[in-house]
Amino acid sequence: NAGVTQTPKFRVLKTGQSMTLLCAQDMNHEYMYWYRQDPGMGLRLIHYSVGEGTTAKGEVPDGYNVSRLKKQNFLLGLESAAPSQTSVYFCASINSGTSFRDTQYFGPGTRLTVL
Amino acid sequence: KNEVEQSPQNLTAQEGEFITINCSYSVGISALHWLQQHPGGGIVSLFMLSSGKKKHGRLIATINIQEKHSSLHITASHPRDSAVYICAVHLYNFNKFYFGSGTKLNVKP
Repeated sequence: NAGVTQTPKFRVLKTGQSMTLLCAQDMNHEYMYWYRQDPGMGLRLIHYSVGEGTTAKGEVPDGYNVSRLKKQNFLLGLESAAPSQTSVYFCASINSGTSFRDTQYFGPGTRLTVL
Repeated sequence: KNEVEQSPQNLTAQEGEFITINCSYSVGISALHWLQQHPGGGIVSLFMLSSGKKKHGRLIATINIQEKHSSLHITASHPRDSAVYICAVHLYNFNKFYFGSGTKLNVKP
């Protein structure tokens, strides 16, 4: 098992550019999450998905869009990047059948800088 | 209002010391997770607790459901334990986690 993978690992964007971050998991998990982590702050939930074809907003969704067309993939899009979106982005997944009493798996992170 | 509070925010210890990190939450939960993040690294799950106590090597995690409190203990701390430790809770009827702001631990040789 590869677990949770994220691509790319690093990216530098100019203000106004767009990009898509890809998260993939091979554990057949229903629940997938996108978080951002900023210095001095905890993990903040951007968007999440409870199954293929479903998405929901988290704590800080503005400026981001997501899609879950396949169960194993969860995409995070930035349509028009802003410097405030400079952050480290983590994807995570968890098995849905155990009332969240199972291991939460995280991807290695994507370090994004917006100039 | 933050549903999850961790203390301390920063902790410096000498190698060999016993470490305690605390996590308090304000509402009913179905599960509490302790996570570890090494500098510049990814995030790994250490423990999942719904009651009682769990032990893995030198790490012990406890939870008191009535008091809405959990502790992570590290016995005989080592410099390789230096990391950020994060508490995350899952609330009943929500499909997501709430995270503490993390405790940055530095163990000096």
